[in-house]
Amino acid sequence: EAGVAQSPRYKIIEKRQSVAFWCNPISGHATLYWYQQILGQGPKLLIQFQNNGVVDDSQLPKDRFSAERLKGVDSTLKIQPAKLEDSAVYLCASSLTSGGQDTQYFGPGTRLTVL
Amino acid sequence: AQSVTQLGSHVSVSEGALVLLRCNYSSSVPPYLFWYVQYPNQGLQLLLKYTSAATLVKGINGFEAEFKKSETSFHLTKPSAHMSDAAEYFCAVSGTSYGKLTFGQGTILTVHP
Repeated sequence: EAGVAQSPRYKIIEKRQSVAFWCNPISGHATLYWYQQILGQGPKLLIQFQNNGVVDDSQLPKDRFSAERLKGVDSTLKIQPAKLEDSAVYLCASSLTSGGQDTQYFGPGTRLTVL
Repeated sequence: AQSVTQLGSHVSVSEGALVLLRCNYSSSVPPYLFWYVQYPNQGLQLLLKYTSAATLVKGINGFEAEFKKSETSFHLTKPSAHMSDAAEYFCAVSGTSYGKLTFGQGTILTVHP
């Protein structure tokens, strides 16, 4: 079974530029998550989708971050414009359902460096 | 509201020694608890999870954890460390019906020969 795919793996941009990350979850998984992991910290949830609807985006900085999950499969996370503090690893995860006990499967992440 | 505290950002053990990584949680509802491992430049991999069945949970690679409600703890142990166990370990709690994970800050495990 293929895992969660993410691209690109690495991205370096200058502040005020825009960037987009792509995620393809495990086939059949209804729930998709985007986490931000700053160096030395645990991952923090940015947004959760159930199929193509948003379940939780309370910690998404909506003035600069946006995300969509068209057709309930792939997802894109965008930052526009980027700030220095956005330097982090962006992890995508998926689970079969949205139940609290469900295992979340993580992709390899995209490491973003903002100069 | 839920939170996780991992005691010790770095733990160092000798190969063959006991591994003990500490995790305490706070949750307003009965929690689901998870331990994930992260190797350099990789995503997180599930080691084990507690979902209100047996309080002693066995996971992959010889790891296990015990849920202690009275102590609000979910410590991770392994009887004998191996060099390949060197990684960063994250404890996480999910106390909601829609799967949001709240992670601790992580513990880096170093294994010396």
